[in-house]
Amino acid sequence: DVKVTQSSRYLVKRTGEKVFLECVQDMDHENMFWYRQDPGLGLRLIYFSYDVKMKEKGDIPEGYSVSREKKERFSLILESASTNQTSMYLCASSLTGGLTEAFFGQGTRLTVV
Amino acid sequence: ELKVEQNPLFLSMQEGKNYTIYCNYSTTSDRLYWYRQDPGKSLESLFVLLSNGAVKQEGRLMASLDTKARLSTLHITAAVHDLSATYFCAVGNAGNMLTFGGGTRLMVKP
Repeated sequence: DVKVTQSSRYLVKRTGEKVFLECVQDMDHENMFWYRQDPGLGLRLIYFSYDVKMKEKGDIPEGYSVSREKKERFSLILESASTNQTSMYLCASSLTGGLTEAFFGQGTRLTVV
Repeated sequence: ELKVEQNPLFLSMQEGKNYTIYCNYSTTSDRLYWYRQDPGKSLESLFVLLSNGAVKQEGRLMASLDTKARLSTLHITAAVHDLSATYFCAVGNAGNMLTFGGGTRLMVKP
């Protein structure tokens, strides 16, 4: 079974802090994604990566950056957390090929106070 | 820009009833996915639909895809309480990205 693991289930951070969300997958997937989930808005793509050190902006990249130094690990960075970044963050991974589904981690609920 | 709309956003239904969730998308795509999410849990893949006219069934859930109409449906037959969850459709686009609908929160009442 594919396993996508996010480092924290719940985080509370202060406004202005630098926040790191970590995601690790164990199935050698090329693609990794970060989404945020907000009520009524579904999942919105923040960034994705299709290879080590490669990244592409998604629909809402402002205020975020990412890092992928190793194939299995994809980090989401909030450079200076703000209250409007309070949300559920979901990491996903998939194989390249276009026809495969994405597998999701358990989510990190981030609250910025 | 690809947009994905799901209807309804919230659905309360009695056990034993049938209902359909709709997923419309705005541009051509060759793949559509349905996911289920239980409260506090991650997304679980239900169906992958890859061609026009594709139909897949698992238990009381059946998904179909009409690429010409840019429409997918998730049909629930004789609903049971265990089906209570939020259901998302997602449309595949360039670069292996998925664009998600807003989700349909389903509540099945005894």
